[in-house]
Amino acid sequence: EPEVTQTPSHQVTQMGQEVILRCVPISNHLYFYWYRQILGQKVEFLVSFYNNEISEKSEIFDDQFSVERPDGSNFTLKIRSTKLEDSAMYFCASRQGALGDTQYFGPGTRLTVL
Amino acid sequence: AQSVTQLGSHVSVSEGALVLLRCNYSSSVPPYLFWYVQYPNQGLQLLLKYTSAATLVKGINGFEAEFKKSETSFHLTKPSAHMSDAAEYFCAVSSSGGYQKVTFGIGTKLQVIP
Repeated sequence: EPEVTQTPSHQVTQMGQEVILRCVPISNHLYFYWYRQILGQKVEFLVSFYNNEISEKSEIFDDQFSVERPDGSNFTLKIRSTKLEDSAMYFCASRQGALGDTQYFGPGTRLTVL
Repeated sequence: AQSVTQLGSHVSVSEGALVLLRCNYSSSVPPYLFWYVQYPNQGLQLLLKYTSAATLVKGINGFEAEFKKSETSFHLTKPSAHMSDAAEYFCAVSSSGGYQKVTFGIGTKLQVIP
């Protein structure tokens, strides 16, 4: 069964450094998402991406964040200058775009900012 | 705007007993509703979803949920708990149109006592 994959599974970085989290959505999917889950808290929506542009973003998704689909398969989340509070599990999701379809989530990348 | 309220951040049941995890939603448009399960150190797995067809939805692992519009509820049940059901369960809502970002509840940790 096709699945969303994410790399790396765990990233440790120093405060102020840039990180890029990578996702490979399911191949025929058209809508892409990033969510995050701070330890002990609920999963929060960050951004949705469709037709090579951001379609919706939350207030969390400030200028430090950016997303890109650099080729036909990868979908990346970049954090320009990481802060301690960016430490979280980041989930990528994708869906095909049909009525009533499902968002499929990747296994997540645990980001630890020291 | 949409939101989800999960009653009970921790629920304990005995093995073989009924599992009932409560979820109430708020949505200004017809919603899609989901239950996801998260096992320790793993990603989010879809258990079941409601997308305006049958109000009683059956999912994987013997779980089911009933959409009750009058009560704005989407409670998750399983007749007989198994040890392997111990996990965190998230109720979630999205709009039926638009880019369908998913809004999650705080989650309910299910403990199954032998």
